[in-house]
Order: sequence, then structure tokens, then C-alpha cells
Amino acid sequence: GDSVTQMEGPVTLSEEAFLTINCTYTATGYPSLFWYVQYPGEGLQLLLKATKADDKGSNKGFEATYRKETTSFHLEKGSVQVSDSAVYFCALSVRYSTLTFGKGTMLLVSP
Amino acid sequence: ETGVTQTPRHLVMGMTNKKSLKCEQHLGHNAMYWYKQSAKKPLELMFVYSLEERVENNSVPSRFSPECPNSSHLFLHLHTLQPEDSALYLCASSQDGLRAANYGYTFGSGTRLTVV
Repeated sequence: GDSVTQMEGPVTLSEEAFLTINCTYTATGYPSLFWYVQYPGEGLQLLLKATKADDKGSNKGFEATYRKETTSFHLEKGSVQVSDSAVYFCALSVRYSTLTFGKGTMLLVSP
Repeated sequence: ETGVTQTPRHLVMGMTNKKSLKCEQHLGHNAMYWYKQSAKKPLELMFVYSLEERVENNSVPSRFSPECPNSSHLFLHLHTLQPEDSALYLCASSQDGLRAANYGYTFGSGTRLTVV
């Protein structure tokens, strides 16, 4: 079946540090890939997406590139802020199926 | 404003109570979902409705009863819950029925449920 594996958290960084959150997947078809973010006390918000190999999704300084050869979709940001503290979920969707989520990675950014 | 509104935001109920969670979307989506999010557990998909028809029910106990009267509204009726049902319940919607592959889902802010 389809699955998403994310690195264990929490990831603890100082403000302005570089962020990488790893995500790898297995899928029976050709998936679309997503990153969602959940701020404390809120629901999930779509952060970025990529629908085909080598596509790069980007939003709010975050980026992720769809790597079919390594079945990965790692999330990166060059300089994190305290306001980026949240839980980040990697997800995939194969056509006509529901979204499959990873377990989430908590990011804590200190001043 | 996310486009998906859930009410109430917080709910405390006793194990013998009956309550309902409400979800409303004005995005023109035609599929809606209920998820359960418990501490230290992955997101659990509970129910899926596409074009107002329930298409997925992931072995959810009968004390949870969904209702989708139209494509804009989704309810989760609760009765005789257990303390382990305490969680954040998230509603989501998507375009093109189950063909969410290119669009993803839009989530509400959730209802924080506490069963005492």
C-alpha cells in the first residue's frame, strides 16, 4: 500500500538556521506530493505541493522538490523564524485515492 | 478564514451525552472527510463522503455517526463516547470528488473534544 515516512521530531533549531525535514514515500501509482503545516491549536494548512517528477513546490520561503529516483520530497527553508514553529506533515495522493499522511514532524525554533 | 468552518471549537461531554460536530464549506468542493487526531498518533481517516454519498468508513465504532445532508455540510454525531475518544476532530474538503491528487484537501480548524 501507499505510505509516507517522515523523520522523527522534534527538530529544534535557532532562528535563521537552515531547515531540512526528510520525507520519503512508497506508492502504487504516480503520486502527487504535499506538505501541510499545523500551527498550535489549528487545523492543517496546505504549504506546498508538486504533481510530477522534478517539480519544485514553494511557499513562504519553504521549498520541496519531487525526486522520483529517490522517492523523496524533503522540505527545506534557508532561514527559519520563531513563527515557523509548528508540526509539518508530508502527504501523497494517487489518483482517485484519499491522501496518505506521514506521522508529522514537530519543528521548534528558538530566538 | 480557511473556507472550512468547524463548530464548536471546543467541546466537553460526559460519556452518556449526545452531541454533534458540524462542518461547513463554501469552496464548491464535493468531497468531505472526517479525521481524528490524537496525541502521539498519526492522523486517522474516519469517514469520506463524495457527492453526499459515504464512500469510506474505516472501521470506526458505531458511537460515531456521520451525516452529509448536502455537499456543503457534514456532521459527526456522537453518543456514549469513551475517554479514549478525546481528540482533535478535523474536517476537510476537496475538489473533484476523490480526485484530490492535484489539489489536496482544505482543512478546518478542528473541534477539540474532551470526554469526561
